[in-house]
Amino acid sequence: QSVLTQPPSASGTPGQRVTISCSGSTSNIGNNIVNWYQQLPGTAPKLLIYNSGQRPSGVPDRFSGSKSGTSASLAISGLQSEDEADYYCAAWDDSLSGYVFGTGTKVTVL
Amino acid sequence: QVQLVQSGPEVKQPGASVRVSCKASGYTFTSFFLHWVRQAPGQGLEWMGVMHPNVGTTIYAQRFQGRVSLTRDTSTSTVYMDLSGLRSDDTAVYYCAREKPSSYCFDYWGQGTLVTVSS
Repeated sequence: QSVLTQPPSASGTPGQRVTISCSGSTSNIGNNIVNWYQQLPGTAPKLLIYNSGQRPSGVPDRFSGSKSGTSASLAISGLQSEDEADYYCAAWDDSLSGYVFGTGTKVTVL
Repeated sequence: QVQLVQSGPEVKQPGASVRVSCKASGYTFTSFFLHWVRQAPGQGLEWMGVMHPNVGTTIYAQRFQGRVSLTRDTSTSTVYMDLSGLRSDDTAVYYCAREKPSSYCFDYWGQGTLVTVSS
């Protein structure tokens, strides 16, 4: 029962730009920072974007994040085959007093 | 380097309990929150709870209240997740993850532990 809504899938050809949306509410995205995780098949999630728009060391600058109101988005520019993975947004939820993840988006490189 | 190493796969019967361990190394164990996240087969990520190993304080997700318990052993830098009253829909990969300070995000993850609940 995820409270953050993402599109189930997104796709693009190599080199294209893909954007993934994450819709929440004032109790989560609206009042708290958003983080994004990438999960390759059969592996643990990996932190991709934190504090709504910062990249950990080692994450290519092709990945960028933004937030506006109760929504956030992740953009992948210059899509590459190794970007094929599941992507999850996440934030703390003040009403639930817990951490919530998005429903997840599967990115396919055509 | 920071590592979180979890215990091995478990197979349990419905109604039983399971304990999954998460041994931390490469950093000061008592200085970082440790969270637990699970993922059912083919499903998304679900947060279960968090512990601060220094004082042992915990917060649990509402849907797991009364069934989950997080404890720690500071002498071995290990956090334990106990889940009771197992049901078939508790079949999942369970991850521990370290929280990056002041950012509500998880910068290091364990390798995951598959818990299968089946009669």
